[in-house]
Amino acid sequence: AAGVIQSPRHLIKEKRETATLKCYPIPRHDTVYWYQQGPGQDPQFLISFYEKMQSDKGSIPDRFSAQQFSDYHSELNMSSLELGDSALYFCASSAGQGLWDYEQYFGPGTRLTVT
Amino acid sequence: QQPVQSPQAVILREGEDAVINCSSSKALYSVHWYRQKHGEAPVFLMILLKGGEQKGHEKISASFNEKKQQSSLYLTASQLSYSGTYFCGTEIDTNAGKSTFGDGTTLTVKP
Repeated sequence: AAGVIQSPRHLIKEKRETATLKCYPIPRHDTVYWYQQGPGQDPQFLISFYEKMQSDKGSIPDRFSAQQFSDYHSELNMSSLELGDSALYFCASSAGQGLWDYEQYFGPGTRLTVT
Repeated sequence: QQPVQSPQAVILREGEDAVINCSSSKALYSVHWYRQKHGEAPVFLMILLKGGEQKGHEKISASFNEKKQQSSLYLTASQLSYSGTYFCGTEIDTNAGKSTFGDGTTLTVKP
């Protein structure tokens, strides 16, 4: 069965550079969630989109932005990267939004390393 | 500073209700609620922003009391699938990009 696809899987950037992470949800899933998990930390919810509109905004720095496109894929744009941005970034998708018991399916994550 | 969750564990029968509380010693900007099932990643449930918000639908809802610096998660007519560990994450600064998690409340729903 098709799963959530994230690209790239690994990314190395220098401080103050920009990075773009991509997420392709499971077909017919209309909701995308972004999470950030630092080394040894709990995952943090960043932002979510439902039907191409931002639905919830969590612990996302102003240097980050995201959007969901017409084909439902989403991109997380990160600017002025800092060392503390080094983390595993997960994307998840679900078939509905606003009903908490819709299952979220997670992608494999993108490991971002900022040097 | 880490928020305090209570109770630490709850055991329910199907159809019963539960309340999980999350308290902070600092003024909060937002509260996030997550559910984690064994061996899986935590899943985001909902976020409440300061201003005394209440969110949810008939089966699950949450409130955020800014003055008391606490949030409560209400589970109604619980089902077996509700079992898991519920975490609250609190954010004290809108631009900090970081939230701090409580220790979690383990909810077990039995037939």
